[in-house]
Amino acid sequence: DSGVTQTPKHLITATGQRVTLRCSPRSGDLSVYWYQQSLDQGLQFLIQYYNGEERAKGNILERFSAQQFPDLHSELNLSSLELGDSALYFCASSVGVQGSTEAFFGQGTRLTVV
Amino acid sequence: GENVEQHPSTLSVQEGDSAVIKCTYSDSASNYFPWYKQELGKGPQLIIDIRSNVGEKKDQRIAVTLNKTAKHFSLHITETQPEDSAVYFCAASNNAGGTSYGKLTFGQGTILTVHP
Repeated sequence: DSGVTQTPKHLITATGQRVTLRCSPRSGDLSVYWYQQSLDQGLQFLIQYYNGEERAKGNILERFSAQQFPDLHSELNLSSLELGDSALYFCASSVGVQGSTEAFFGQGTRLTVV
Repeated sequence: GENVEQHPSTLSVQEGDSAVIKCTYSDSASNYFPWYKQELGKGPQLIIDIRSNVGEKKDQRIAVTLNKTAKHFSLHITETQPEDSAVYFCAASNNAGGTSYGKLTFGQGTILTVHP
């Protein structure tokens, strides 16, 4: 158990809908990262938050957004869903300060868009 | 940005043999190189990592080597066991500072199968 908790584990929704994925980082970790894993694109970095502030953005679609709350949990919002958004979405957390680098992943949320 | 290439994409070995997975990276500023193991239905699990000031690191049956000049690093698993069967990912990161330290760029993954 990595200590990173993601909910829900599975999500099935229709095209055009909006969903919210939730992540609780390991105790003490200030940085949260979101990754998308698909068969054709592998593990792709989406966005990073550190202590409530956005730190870095990857190839995240404009239809996707995220935030990190004062209690450090994070949510990834996916809207106007398309079939191609079906993937595994992982959250990872780390201490997040310079020189402290280990990132630990949650079990993921499997999103299926039908 | 960083680009990480990983080979081979699939690797099949007999139990007890060694397995080697190789990765190359493009950004000379990358200084942290973790390896993750992902089993079916689970998230990636950190198994070993190496920093740019170290050439080799070992943890029981697994070891990682880094050649900064050539920008490549490798994972070595000795005395493989069936439970080593999984997908292995290499990654690179720049953790020296800046705005995006900690962000990982992953290789494409290697499906390792260890036959009993």
